[in-house]
Amino acid sequence: QVQLMESGGGLVKPGGSLRLACAASGFTFSDHYMSWIRQAPGKGLQWISYISGTSTYTYYRDSMKGRFTISRDNANNSLYLQMNSLTAEDTAVYYCARAKKDTVVTFDSWGQGTLVTVSS
Amino acid sequence: EIVMTQSPATLSVSPGERATLSCRASQSVSTYLAWYLQKPGQAPRLLIYGGSTRATGVPARFSGSGSGTEFTLTISSLQSEDFGIYYCQQINNWPTTFGQGTKLEIK
Repeated sequence: QVQLMESGGGLVKPGGSLRLACAASGFTFSDHYMSWIRQAPGKGLQWISYISGTSTYTYYRDSMKGRFTISRDNANNSLYLQMNSLTAEDTAVYYCARAKKDTVVTFDSWGQGTLVTVSS
Repeated sequence: EIVMTQSPATLSVSPGERATLSCRASQSVSTYLAWYLQKPGQAPRLLIYGGSTRATGVPARFSGSGSGTEFTLTISSLQSEDFGIYYCQQINNWPTTFGQGTKLEIK
């Protein structure tokens, strides 16, 4: 079955960097757009970025442009999010999510999330 | 960016009863709307997309309707596993945005 498993979260100081990873299994990874979505404690969902199946297209929320970079390695069925210049407002659970086939941001599978805490 | 507003914030319903959740968009999103259910400590699960199409494995008691700016998710006869937070999401305009959620709790 479809599985997505995030890793790489943790405690980081303001201004620091972190790289999140998402390991995918149970489906043809390169056939799907993938996204990162975050959820601040007690808050709703905020889409961050997507990447197309062959990495041709990427798109970011305006507030993340220049700070966050999404990438993927189809040979290893992995998705990544490089996060730089982190602030307390970036504290959240970060989910990777698979887009339903032939769609871009209709998310039919999600990982369990990895917690990123930005604090001094 | 399009703002999605869900109402009510909290809905208390008894098992077996009907629940009606609303989602309003700040501008038209056609039928490019999805609904998700998130249970405590879990990731969201896709329920409805295209405004009214049930995702794979979603029971028939879930139905979505609406277009433009007004949408409704109806659960015809609530089961214990249906309680949690429901989010709507518009995918008509960039960036895609979610509502703030409706918490459906047991009465």
